[in-house]
Amino acid sequence: GENVEQHPSTLSVQEGDSAVIKCTYSDSASNYFPWYKQELGKGPQLIIDIRSNVGEKKDQRIAVTLNKTAKHFSLHITETQPEDSAVYFCAASQQAGNMLTFGGGTRLMVKP
Amino acid sequence: NAGVTQTPKFRVLKTGQSMTLLCAQDMNHEYMYWYRQDPGMGLRLIHYSVGEGTTAKGEVPDGYNVSRLKKQNFLLGLESAAPSQTSVYFCASSFWAGDTQYFGPGTRLTVL
Repeated sequence: GENVEQHPSTLSVQEGDSAVIKCTYSDSASNYFPWYKQELGKGPQLIIDIRSNVGEKKDQRIAVTLNKTAKHFSLHITETQPEDSAVYFCAASQQAGNMLTFGGGTRLMVKP
Repeated sequence: NAGVTQTPKFRVLKTGQSMTLLCAQDMNHEYMYWYRQDPGMGLRLIHYSVGEGTTAKGEVPDGYNVSRLKKQNFLLGLESAAPSQTSVYFCASSFWAGDTQYFGPGTRLTVL
């Protein structure tokens, strides 16, 4: 089955700096890669996703890149703000096949 | 739309007691999931359902039972609670197996 590894497990940045979280996956058939943000005391919420037919997707300050050859994808947050502090999860699946497999999570702390 | 809702939000049990957690979704999703999240850890799949009347085991099913009598509801039962089941429980739903999952707000369960 699919295996998703996420790094780093914790990340501390200064407000205004950029943050990058990386995930690798094992199943070359995976074609759907969502990212979730979990704020303290809440459930994970989808913030951005990418499908394997594109290499990059942006939404304001967040972007996701995908390298199918190397089987890794990354979340980029620019101009970080304290409200970006949360736990972020990556995931992978064959969208018409297996269920999502989640990475272990990254705790991002943005220091004012 | 309310999305995914969970009841109760908090619960304290004594060892050996039983309880049922209720998850409801109003998005007409076929798939529903129960996860547990322990401090500093990621999401671990307990049980899931691929449609009304079906259930299947996930990664950590022991000590839990589930039922999906109606498409919109997914119940998680603890027959004899143990301190090791102290955790935050999240319900999620999706249209298809590999599609985006939408999470509820969670239930914080403490077993004394």
